[in-house]
Amino acid sequence: DAMVIQNPRYQVTQFGKPVTLSCSQTLNHNVMYWYQQKSSQAPKLLFHYYDKDFNNEADTPDNFQSRRPNTSFCFLDIRSPGLGDTAMYLCATSRTGDNEQYFGPGTRLTVT
Amino acid sequence: RKEVEQDPGPFNVPEGATVAFNCTYSNSASQSFFWYRQDCRKEPKLLMSVYSSGNEDGRFTAQLNRASQYISLLIRDSKLSDSATYLCVVNGLSGAGSYQLTFGKGTKLSVIP
Repeated sequence: DAMVIQNPRYQVTQFGKPVTLSCSQTLNHNVMYWYQQKSSQAPKLLFHYYDKDFNNEADTPDNFQSRRPNTSFCFLDIRSPGLGDTAMYLCATSRTGDNEQYFGPGTRLTVT
Repeated sequence: RKEVEQDPGPFNVPEGATVAFNCTYSNSASQSFFWYRQDCRKEPKLLMSVYSSGNEDGRFTAQLNRASQYISLLIRDSKLSDSATYLCVVNGLSGAGSYQLTFGKGTKLSVIP
């Protein structure tokens, strides 16, 4: 059974055209994360939600926003994608006090 | 200095070989350590946690040296299915009270028939 689901799996968008990526989880975990992984690079944490509290990484561009309407869902909004935003976007979840994070299959975003 | 550094790779080894990956981390306050495996164009998946006492899971052995801030992964009797990128991952408590993972760039392993 899928535990962390990401949609769409593949997304192509034009330069400057807003795009939203979604993540849902059936684990009832209170922490949700968004990572960006570019080709041959390490996943880079963009931000995370600790329950409803939003925590932005200092170097995450303002172009990237997130919403978490409830425990199960989290969205990544890219307001004006640039070519450099082409990457795999990974959603992950965890529980407070639990070290392990559970990753979704990722959304591969291409900006043309 | 990068937070988590790994062997650059790639490692190309024949089936049955033993291969070792090394990793160093810069944050001495890091609390937990892991090896994740990532197949091409897929998400990272937890391979094993790493403890100071060392731990073994079948053909895989992981070691942690806190004094040297060094982590290792040993794979014995390599299989074709072991071909993947191995990510060294360090976990520490963030200011928000949740754990944050810091990933190394990964070492690519190709096991050759």
